Amino acid sequence: AQRVTQPEKLLSVFKGAPVELKCNYSYSGSPELFWYVQYSRQRLQLLLRHISRESIKGFTADLNKGETSFHLKKPFAQEEDSAMYYCALSGLSNDYKLSFGAGTTVTVRA
Amino acid sequence: EAQVTQNPRYLITVTGKKLTVTCSQNMNHEYMSWYRQDPGLGLRQIYYSMNVEVTDKGDVPEGYKVSRKEKRNFPLILESPSPNQTSLYFCASSDTGGVNGYTFGSGTRLTVV
Repeated sequence: AQRVTQPEKLLSVFKGAPVELKCNYSYSGSPELFWYVQYSRQRLQLLLRHISRESIKGFTADLNKGETSFHLKKPFAQEEDSAMYYCALSGLSNDYKLSFGAGTTVTVRA
Repeated sequence: EAQVTQNPRYLITVTGKKLTVTCSQNMNHEYMSWYRQDPGLGLRQIYYSMNVEVTDKGDVPEGYKVSRKEKRNFPLILESPSPNQTSLYFCASSDTGGVNGYTFGSGTRLTVV
């Protein structure tokens, strides 16, 4: 069975400080991993995909298969980064069913 | 504009009164899915569909039905809603089973009294 764990429900940082959101997963096979973001009163939006190795809005995430982790990082948080962040996983062995973690609410203080 | 459209945005209903939440996508996506979002639980998948007439249960299917008669539409049906189905519901679609990410609708806030 696939599972995504986000150990932090709430994360508060000051503007300009680094922020790291943790995500661990369990999956038998090669997973596809994602970070989604939900700003206040808005729909979920795709932030990052691990296969594209891109940096979006200053965020990066590295897949560590040994530690089964896909942590999201940003070196200098901005107030507009305040949102709910979800780590998600899908894969061939589960018909590409997309499973989400419980989410982390990030608050960036001025 | 490529989008997933859900209706209604807000719905208050009474226990036992059948309701349908509609979902439509204009991107010719094969994969569609329904999620419910609850505080502290994140998003949990209710049902998903890999193509027309192909649907399967997600993690929390009890009390829900779906149908996929056309590629663009994937309605969520609550035959006899109960208060524990009060939640925020999202529909999502993808062209490649999620490899390129899902596009989400704006959500439907359902309250069952």
